[in-house]
Amino acid sequence: SQTIHQWPATLVQPVGSPLSLECTVEGTSNPNLYWYRQAAGRGLQLLFYSVGIGQISSEVPQNLSASRPQDRQFILSSKKLLLSDSGFYLCAWSVGGTIYEQYFGPGTRLTVT
Amino acid sequence: AQSVTQLGSHVSVSEGALVLLRCNYSSSVPPYLFWYVQYPNQGLQLLLKYTTGATLVKGINGFEAEFKKSETSFHLTKPSAHMSDAAEYFCAVRSHQGGKLIFGQGTELSVKP
Repeated sequence: SQTIHQWPATLVQPVGSPLSLECTVEGTSNPNLYWYRQAAGRGLQLLFYSVGIGQISSEVPQNLSASRPQDRQFILSSKKLLLSDSGFYLCAWSVGGTIYEQYFGPGTRLTVT
Repeated sequence: AQSVTQLGSHVSVSEGALVLLRCNYSSSVPPYLFWYVQYPNQGLQLLLKYTTGATLVKGINGFEAEFKKSETSFHLTKPSAHMSDAAEYFCAVRSHQGGKLIFGQGTELSVKP
């Protein structure tokens, strides 16, 4: 069966510090991968999605970036965090080649102080 | 453009009462529709989906939803609410542009004893 992991689970970082969040999927090949953010009291915002290694689509211009160095690994990064980057970050995957349901990881709670 | 509207950001029901969470969508192509549930500080879990075929779809935890093309709706129901149903619920439609889902803003369900 397929499993999706995210780490860390929680993170507290000062403004201006770098960020690296990691997501890995097990049990499937060539998945579509997604990064979402939930700010407090708001819905889901799609940040990035990837249909293959090195293929990243950005949905919202911001100081975040994403990379996919391996088939089942998706990394969200920032060089300098802003207060507005605080939120709950969710990684998701869907079966590659189809556009069906997405399966979500447990999330990372990021607080920028 | 495709969109999803969830009517009511907060819904409160008594334990044992009917749960009805409303979702309307707009789509220029036959929609694929989804309902997800999110418990506090967790990722989203797929409740049910409609792609083609039978318009009444059954999901996990006793939930079901009916696709009504004429009303562009996909409302989520459960005959009898349980305390454990308290969570946030998201309706989504598959985007016809790339491998993405378009989410509604979510409805928070409270269940009173």
